[in-house]
Amino acid sequence: KQEVTQIPAALSVPEGENLVLNCSFTDSAIYNLQWFRQDPGKGLTSLLLIQSSQREQTSGRLNASLDKSSGRSTLYIAASQPGDSATYLCAVKGNQFYFGTGTSLTVIP
Amino acid sequence: EPEVTQTPSHQVTQMGQEVILRCVPISNHLYFYWYRQILGQKVEFLVSFYNNEISEKSEIFDDQFSVERPDGSNFTLKIRSTKLEDSAMYFCASSGVAAETQYFGPGTRLLVL
Repeated sequence: KQEVTQIPAALSVPEGENLVLNCSFTDSAIYNLQWFRQDPGKGLTSLLLIQSSQREQTSGRLNASLDKSSGRSTLYIAASQPGDSATYLCAVKGNQFYFGTGTSLTVIP
Repeated sequence: EPEVTQTPSHQVTQMGQEVILRCVPISNHLYFYWYRQILGQKVEFLVSFYNNEISEKSEIFDDQFSVERPDGSNFTLKIRSTKLEDSAMYFCASSGVAAETQYFGPGTRLLVL
């Protein structure tokens, strides 16, 4: 069974810092990997989707990479802002969808 | 901007009762999903639905659960004979094609007493 792990579980950074969130998965037979943000009590907002044939995707200050063979993905956030504070989830699509436990990010003004 | 909507936002029910959670996916999307998130735990996949039938389901999605697209806009999740452990946030999502971005609704918080 696919296991998806996210490290760290929580992260606190001062505004303006660049940061990296990590996601690892045990089964490399995936179709895609998606990064989401979740605000407290709210639904999930899709940030980036990387197909299995791709190495990275970029949107604004966000860059996600995928190394399928090693079972890893990173989400890079440049010049962090207080509005980036949220829980970040990665999810992989294999025979079904598997989510990680998330990284809770706090950006301190 | 088109969005996925869910009703009700909150539902309280007694153990053993049936509940129906409703979702209106984005209008031109063809793939529909239900997920749940028990408080403090991971988001868990329940089921995906395409072309009026279930395309994938998880171990969680047993005979207690069913999904339906009763008309051209709604997508429902029925939970029969609810149990205490069914208390969770239930999310609906939709996508235009199978391996593309999923758009999530705001969720229905279900509390079983």
